[in-house]
Amino acid sequence: SAVISQKPSRDICQRGTSLTIQCQVDSQVTMMFWYRQQPGQSLTLIATANQGSEATYESGFVIDKFPISRPNLTFSTLTVSNMSPEDSSIYLCSVKQDEQYFGPGTRLTVT
Amino acid sequence: DAKTTQPPSMDCAEGRAANLPCNHSTISGNEYVYWYRQIHSQGPQYIIHGLKNNETNEMASLIITEDRKSSTLILPHATLRDTAVYYCIASLGAYGGSQGNLIFGKGTKLSVKP
Repeated sequence: SAVISQKPSRDICQRGTSLTIQCQVDSQVTMMFWYRQQPGQSLTLIATANQGSEATYESGFVIDKFPISRPNLTFSTLTVSNMSPEDSSIYLCSVKQDEQYFGPGTRLTVT
Repeated sequence: DAKTTQPPSMDCAEGRAANLPCNHSTISGNEYVYWYRQIHSQGPQYIIHGLKNNETNEMASLIITEDRKSSTLILPHATLRDTAVYYCIASLGAYGGSQGNLIFGKGTKLSVKP
């Protein structure tokens, strides 16, 4: 199974600023996903990030707010831009190999 | 992906079997039934999946009805560490490409009590 790490594990940020979350995988994977989990809620898919193509965003999520980079097959970043308190969530990176695996998440609090 | 329905919460005594039900009456013929769990403050963890046949691994057993409209995840000897939210998901899985990504519902919060 893929081993996924995320940085930072948690952060507290001021509104109006941006945070970039890094996702590192221990093996090469084509398909990578970013999810959001708001407090007390289930996971919601933000976008699919495949290497060599533009990220595909789900309804309700836009590139200006959540720009994604996928420079190679083991790494991706998600930026949460111009943050507001409503962006306070856990952001999770996920990859698909034989099954779909998840990183530990980044807990973001916006004040 | 087909919608799944799960009870919002369940309790189980430590050492007993935990049986978690899931309804997926609109599942299509090529969709798998996946189970994941999320222990507090961690990312979701893969448990098991199946298409038609019952499946068993070191973590759990998956029983799928013959008509595939429902399934049950069985944790044979629940421990306190099994306390988590359990998600049942119908998905094309690895064969679905980007269309096979996992769509999470609300899941069942399982509380294992001493």
